[in-house]
Amino acid sequence: QQQVKQSPQSLIVQKGGISIINCAYENTAFDYFPWYQQFPGKGPALLIAIRPDVSEKKEGRFTISFNKSAKQFSLHIMDSQPGDSATYFCAATPYTGTASKLTFGTGTRLQVTL
Amino acid sequence: DTAVSQTPKYLVTQMGNDKSIKCEQNLGHDTMYWYKQDSKKFLKIMFSYNNKELIINETVPNRFSPKSPDKAHLNLHINSLELGDSAVYFCASSQSYVGTRDPRGVMNTEAFFGQGTRLTVV
Repeated sequence: QQQVKQSPQSLIVQKGGISIINCAYENTAFDYFPWYQQFPGKGPALLIAIRPDVSEKKEGRFTISFNKSAKQFSLHIMDSQPGDSATYFCAATPYTGTASKLTFGTGTRLQVTL
Repeated sequence: DTAVSQTPKYLVTQMGNDKSIKCEQNLGHDTMYWYKQDSKKFLKIMFSYNNKELIINETVPNRFSPKSPDKAHLNLHINSLELGDSAVYFCASSQSYVGTRDPRGVMNTEAFFGQGTRLTVV
């Protein structure tokens, strides 16, 4: 069962445009929602993250919007640049106080064209 | 210095062989993980290991066995390799389990990934 659903699978955006990637989750125990960025041949790296107590978090050109009631969150990349071309993964994990694990979405391959 | 390092980076082997992938982290983290990334880029947790507590994803075949000689190392041993085992395997580490809080109440927020080991079974 896929606990975190991510869309679209791939995305092509022109330089300067806005890239939007959406994720939805089912497990209400999820308490922390990071986004990871992966370049070809590299491991994923944390990009930005949010907790459910806020509806939006912004870091530079990257913004997470979070809708707790709808159990959805999204990544917005403003002024997209060719260097942003990568695969983006949303993830979620519960805060249980004991063992937890990151559950990843299926990934979105972003290509930013000139 | 590389924070999380895996060896080898590439591994090509025949079906039925046994192989190991090594992982080391120099971040002083307590928790390490193994993830499998398939050809469609889907990342799936295989194991979590924290202070001698091993959490096994029940969907992982018992041909896969993690071994942690100490807190800084988590190796992955695979017996009787099959074609379907071909994938990229990522090791990762975090201060504690991502999403939990440390004794000071500070949230553990980031998992650091290695560069991956591309395993091809022929």
